[in-house]
Amino acid sequence: ETGVTQSPTHLIKTRGQQVTLRCSSQSGHNTVSWYQQALGQGPQFIFQYYREEENGRGNFPPRFSGLQFPNYSSELNVNALELDDSALYLCASSLEATGTYGYTFGSGTRLTVV
Amino acid sequence: GDSVTQMEGPVTLSEEAFLTINCTYTATGYPSLFWYVQYPGEGLQLLLKATKADDKGSNKGFEATYRKETTSFHLEKGSVQVSDSAVYFCALSPYSGGGADGLTFGKGTHLIIQP
Repeated sequence: ETGVTQSPTHLIKTRGQQVTLRCSSQSGHNTVSWYQQALGQGPQFIFQYYREEENGRGNFPPRFSGLQFPNYSSELNVNALELDDSALYLCASSLEATGTYGYTFGSGTRLTVV
Repeated sequence: GDSVTQMEGPVTLSEEAFLTINCTYTATGYPSLFWYVQYPGEGLQLLLKATKADDKGSNKGFEATYRKETTSFHLEKGSVQVSDSAVYFCALSPYSGGGADGLTFGKGTHLIIQP
């Protein structure tokens, strides 16, 4: 079975720009979550999508938004980039929305904002 | 809100030493508990999990027991190898009947095993 794939692996953006990160979920998984991992920190939950609807959100401002598509792949969009948005962005998929059985993570997208 | 506290690193051990990484949590309800491992340049991999009190999760020689009375989920391994060098994250998933709050992670413990 395929795992979770994310693209791109690295990118550099300028403060104030917008960025879109992409994620393909593991086969059979209908739930996708996004996390932000700052250097030396644990991942922080951004939001979760279940069957194309956002069904949970962490403490992130509205300029962080997302989409989930009918094939359960997902996008994370960040508007008006700030320097503090520089981080590793992780996508995770799971069999169901509660996360009881764990998540499969992708290798992440390293975003640098200059 | 929910939180996870794990011991600060780096933790440096010799090969074949016994490993313990402490993890305690604060949560309402009955969370599920996890250990994830992150190798350099990679995403997180689920190492083991426990979904209710007194459950023991185990994988690849690692074990952790869900202790509700002490709100702990300490990771142990009897004999570590150089290949175990990585960052280890303790995490919880809150019980949720409807919405989703994602995983709450600790800050991670960097483990270094020397030959």
